[in-house]
This record gives sequence, structure tokens and C-alpha cells, in this order.
Amino acid sequence: GAGVSQSPSNKVTEKGKDVELRCDPISGHTALYWYRQSLGQGLEFLIYFQGNSAPDKSGLPSDRFSAERTGGSVSTLTIQRTQQEDSAVYLCASSLRQGNQPQHFGDGTRLSIL
Amino acid sequence: GQNIDQPTEMTATEGAIVQINCTYQTSGFNGLFWYQQHAGEAPTFLSYNVLDGLEEKGRFSSFLSRSKGYSYLLLKELQMKDSASYLCAVIGNDYKLSFGAGTTVTVRA
Repeated sequence: GAGVSQSPSNKVTEKGKDVELRCDPISGHTALYWYRQSLGQGLEFLIYFQGNSAPDKSGLPSDRFSAERTGGSVSTLTIQRTQQEDSAVYLCASSLRQGNQPQHFGDGTRLSIL
Repeated sequence: GQNIDQPTEMTATEGAIVQINCTYQTSGFNGLFWYQQHAGEAPTFLSYNVLDGLEEKGRFSSFLSRSKGYSYLLLKELQMKDSASYLCAVIGNDYKLSFGAGTTVTVRA
């Protein structure tokens, strides 16, 4: 596609439920990144993929968070047993390859846990 | 770890110039990016510096000094639409992008 596409744009759910966030990167971009941005805070790195592999999962806050990428394209970020502190905007970005390439961001998913 | 510092807020008048400073202490250095983020929107790429010096792109310029761990983003001929958060981000040895907390620039008429 023309840009990075994320869905849903907004998600409101009850504490304890599982949520799945989707990211469709720019066509041809091999690197894909997930970030979290809380209100008034900077971007917090969660995980990145090079192809379908995730060499660095160090940013995932807990074992309730997982992510996968299939076909070198679409990625899903899953949060199990959501907690109120998971409320944030989840941003996905892609770049031509991992390294010193500009990352292009999607519009994010605004997640609200009640 | 990575440490990236930038001012929290800046205010300037329409038509003026504003300089946003960023200092960094990182494990290695493979480039510095500036992004613009309007409220409620995704960050958009502005500039990339990997060598010392000034990169100019229209009304926006970005400067880098690797020996000082310092960069600035210069916004000239400010317009109301330039009101946004400006994010400094550095790539270290791990090729991971680490972001500063952002500088909120408010342009007043």
C-alpha cells in the first residue's frame, strides 16, 4: 500500500480481555517495528521484525505481550489479559531494511482499557 | 542504555526562527533522525544526519556534531501549522531507534 496501515484505529475493551492489533507495512519494506506511546510520553520500543524473524523482543513489557509476522508482511501484536496500564497508542513503523533507514509510521491504534 | 535529552516545550511567534536542541549519550552511533508529530497523528520523517554538519531541506535544517553528541533542528519562517511535537531519535550500535520524549513547539500569531 501507499503507507503503513494499522487497524483498528481505536479499541476500547474491558480489563482482562485479549486484544489483537494489526499492522500492514509499506510494500517491499522488510523491517517492521512496534512502539507504544503513552500520553505525553516518548515512543517506547517494543519489538522489531526483519522479515518474519524478531531478533529483538527486549522491549516487550511482559509475557502478556506477543507479536508475529507472516509472509514478511502483515504483523499482529497481541496483548493477553489486558490491564489498565496497557492503555496507550500502539504505533507500527516499517523501513526498507533494518538499520539507518527512515521509519515510516502508521496512524496507530488507540487502546483504552476500562 | 540510551539517553536522549531535548527541551519539553518551546514557544515562538509566527514568522520567527526556533532551534530545538538534542543531546544524546548512546552505545554507538549510526545516525540521528528528527520526526514531526502533530497531536493525535503519527510521527512523520523530517531529516537524517549521520555525518557532522548541516542538512538543509526547505524551511527546516538539521545539524549534527558527533564529537559533542549534539544535534539541533532549526525551523525558519514559522507557520501556525508547525505547531507540533518534534522528536529526536538516535540509532545506536544495536541499530535500534531510541526516541527522546519530544519537544512541543507552539507557534503564536
